[in-house]
Amino acid sequence: EAQVTQNPRYLITVTGKKLTVTCSQNMNHEYMSWYRQDPGLGLRQIYYSMNVEVTDKGDVPEGYKVSRKEKRNFPLILESPSPNQTSLYFCASSLSGDQPQHFGDGTRLSIL
Amino acid sequence: AQSVTQPDIHITVSEGASLELRCNYSYGATPYLFWYVQSPGQGLQLLLKYFSGDTLVQGIKGFEAEFKRSQSSFNLRKPSVHWSDAAEYFCAVAGSYIPTFGRGTSLIVHP
Repeated sequence: EAQVTQNPRYLITVTGKKLTVTCSQNMNHEYMSWYRQDPGLGLRQIYYSMNVEVTDKGDVPEGYKVSRKEKRNFPLILESPSPNQTSLYFCASSLSGDQPQHFGDGTRLSIL
Repeated sequence: AQSVTQPDIHITVSEGASLELRCNYSYGATPYLFWYVQSPGQGLQLLLKYFSGDTLVQGIKGFEAEFKRSQSSFNLRKPSVHWSDAAEYFCAVAGSYIPTFGRGTSLIVHP
């Protein structure tokens, strides 16, 4: 089954404690991206990757890091999380940036 | 730069009534346009897409959308809404290989 898998689905943590949200896709897609969803603001892109070892900033990259060492994986790293990063996060993948995207089920992060 | 506007934050309809969700985009050339639906607790699912050709596109779950270049619009329609259609709907444009999403419209369905 074609899917994008994110882990964890839920996480409550404290300010400053480094965390990683993993994302994996099994569709051999070139393009992957991370979004955060906040009430009234819709989906905002954090980072995207057009291919292995190629990543670029989206609209709200501050406080986040990503890496793309393999085509299937695109982890999101919060080196020193802060409460304003409390949000619902989605990973997505597609053949290219202008093609329909496949979304994971989301990760709800709470930073206390 | 490309942008998407969904002017309605919430839309309330009665079950069985028709539905139209508005989407306006800004992009210099012919864009790729999408509608996605997000059910509670889930990720976004593609409803339909427009790349070129026929300006009326059919999607899943009985939805359709019409691309109107003169109005820079891509409105989503459904002739008869079911209670299970209650969800968040997002319009997106991808003209420069990087998609941009609207802020979403929350659909509330009354029995």
